[in-house]
Amino acid sequence: DTGVSQNPRHKITKRGQNVTFRCDPISEHNRLYWYRQTLGQGPEFLTYFQNEAQLEKSRLLSDRFSAERPKGSFSTLEIQRTEQGDSAMYLCASSPGFGETQYFGPGTRLLVL
Amino acid sequence: AQTVTQSQPEMSVQEAETVTLSCTYDTSESDYYLFWYKQPPSRQMILVIRQEAYKQQNATENRFSVNFQKAAKSFSLKISDSQLGDAAMYFCAYPESSGNTPLVFGKGTRLSVIA
Repeated sequence: DTGVSQNPRHKITKRGQNVTFRCDPISEHNRLYWYRQTLGQGPEFLTYFQNEAQLEKSRLLSDRFSAERPKGSFSTLEIQRTEQGDSAMYLCASSPGFGETQYFGPGTRLLVL
Repeated sequence: AQTVTQSQPEMSVQEAETVTLSCTYDTSESDYYLFWYKQPPSRQMILVIRQEAYKQQNATENRFSVNFQKAAKSFSLKISDSQLGDAAMYFCAYPESSGNTPLVFGKGTRLSVIA
């Protein structure tokens, strides 16, 4: 069990550029979650998957954001036409299933200049 | 909307002493789970303790224990024999509904441990 991994750990980009983050969950965890955390706040839910199916998207997830989990293993979160307000820590978590504890990755810190 | 309130933005405790972090929540569900997570500076979030709402017994994990008051919707975390490594942000969280498990988090309590 190597834990949840996220890449890259840090990303600096210019406003208007597209960025993509990757999350590798704990092996055999069928649920995968994306959260966003801004300074001084708790994480806020963005979207989650059960296997390859995207089950819910938060209203925080504008149409510039898209997430995939094509084979039910790793997931990607893409932000198109980044804005300064997108600067945040993007956290990924996975769990074995309903009601189970979510295990978090180290996060990807995004800074949009 | 589901909410979690952590009324103490910052707390401090002397090493080896005991501290209690408060959390209240708002849910209409009868069966749910509650979590405390710890996020050390520049490090990833880790689970401290978990409580099932249907269990009357308060959860304990070594020096960490909870005081779960279901009727009052209160879920406080007690840290005994505080250590320097306990310094972190602590977040209270619970699933947004029984049929859906994204977590709703509070704003956190920053705990400082004084040597």
